[in-house]
Formats: sequence, structure tokens, C-alpha cells
Amino acid sequence: DGGITQSPKYLFRKEGQNVTLSCEQNLNHDAMYWYRQDPGQGLRLIYYSQIVNDFQKGDIAEGYSVSREKKESFPLTVTSAQKNPTAFYLCASSPGTGESYGYTFGSGTRLTVV
Amino acid sequence: GDSVTQMEGPVTLSEEAFLTINCTYTATGYPSLFWYVQYPGEGLQLLLKATKADDKGSNKGFEATYRKETTSFHLEKGSVQVSDSAVYFCAPSGNTPLVFGKGTRLSVIA
Repeated sequence: DGGITQSPKYLFRKEGQNVTLSCEQNLNHDAMYWYRQDPGQGLRLIYYSQIVNDFQKGDIAEGYSVSREKKESFPLTVTSAQKNPTAFYLCASSPGTGESYGYTFGSGTRLTVV
Repeated sequence: GDSVTQMEGPVTLSEEAFLTINCTYTATGYPSLFWYVQYPGEGLQLLLKATKADDKGSNKGFEATYRKETTSFHLEKGSVQVSDSAVYFCAPSGNTPLVFGKGTRLSVIA
């Protein structure tokens, strides 16, 4: 079955470390997205990519980086510059960026700073 | 840019009660409108959508009607079940990535 796989499900980061969250999809979708979810704040867009080798910053891109070298993969790196990284991270994809497309979400990665 | 306002939660209902979760949006033009549901510890799932004015989206007993005149897309269900306990998100889709509301937590008690 097609879908989006995020790994790991839980991740612990020490202060000053960079960590990379994986997101892989086998839906043949062109567009992929990263959102951050904090309690009571809904979802906030970090980065998105409409096509391979291209991506755009979202509302809260500072302290994060992404790459889109393959259509099916859109990893997110949380750098040491992100001062408050503890959150639930959600990856999503859609066939394109047309307004009628719904998103397919992964099951999320919960990142905790220790 | 696009924005959305959802009713504050949490909403607590008894089983078989009627549910309404209000959603109003601001967007350029006439966006598609979506409701997503998130069960504990999981990602979001598409619940229903409507792509033009007066369209009614429906799924699993939930319904929402695209009201252009009031820029609203309220979610309703006639008889909720304990298994409907989750967080519900409204999202308009214009020319930019989906913008989500803060979500409304629903708890259904037996």
C-alpha cells in the first residue's frame, strides 16, 4: 500500500546536536511538506517542496534545513540553531500544489531535547 | 495570506449527541476546504473536503457545507461515538500550502 513513512517515531537530541528526521513516500506525489505541532498551536509550516531539487521556506524555517534530491524523500534536519526543537514533526505529501489536493500525512516523529 | 478560525476546545459530549465544530476562514479567491482528524499519537487523516461553494463533503457520518457567503465550513455529525474522540482541524487551500487552524479536541464519553 502506498503511504508516507516517517522515522524514527521518537528521537532524543542533546543540546548542540544536529538531528535528521526521515520522510519517505511511495505515492508518486510531487509536493512534500514539513509541519511542526506544539500543544495548543496547531500545525506550523517549516518547509515545503513542489518538485525535486527545489524547496521553499515556510513560516518557521529558522534553525531547520531540508533537501529534495529524490522525489520520494524529503528529510528534515533540525540544527543546533533551533533553540526550542522539542515538538511533534509531521511530514505530508500531495499530488501537486493545486488547491483541490488533500494531503497525506505520515505518523509523525516526536523530538525531545535532553 | 490564508487563515482559519476554529471554535475553542475541548468539546466534551455524551455518546449519540449532536456535534458541531465551527470553522471560518479568510482566503484569496475560492479555496478548497478540508477537515482533517488526528487520533492520539498519530498524523492527520483527511476526513472530508469541498471544492466549490455549496458543495457538501461527507465521510463516516460527518458532514460540512462550503458556505461562500459566510466563509464557513462547519463540521457536523448527528450522533457521535466514543471512537470519534480526536482533534479536528479545518484547513483552506488557496495558492499556498495548507494553513491549519489550532484544532478542536473532541472527547466523547459513554
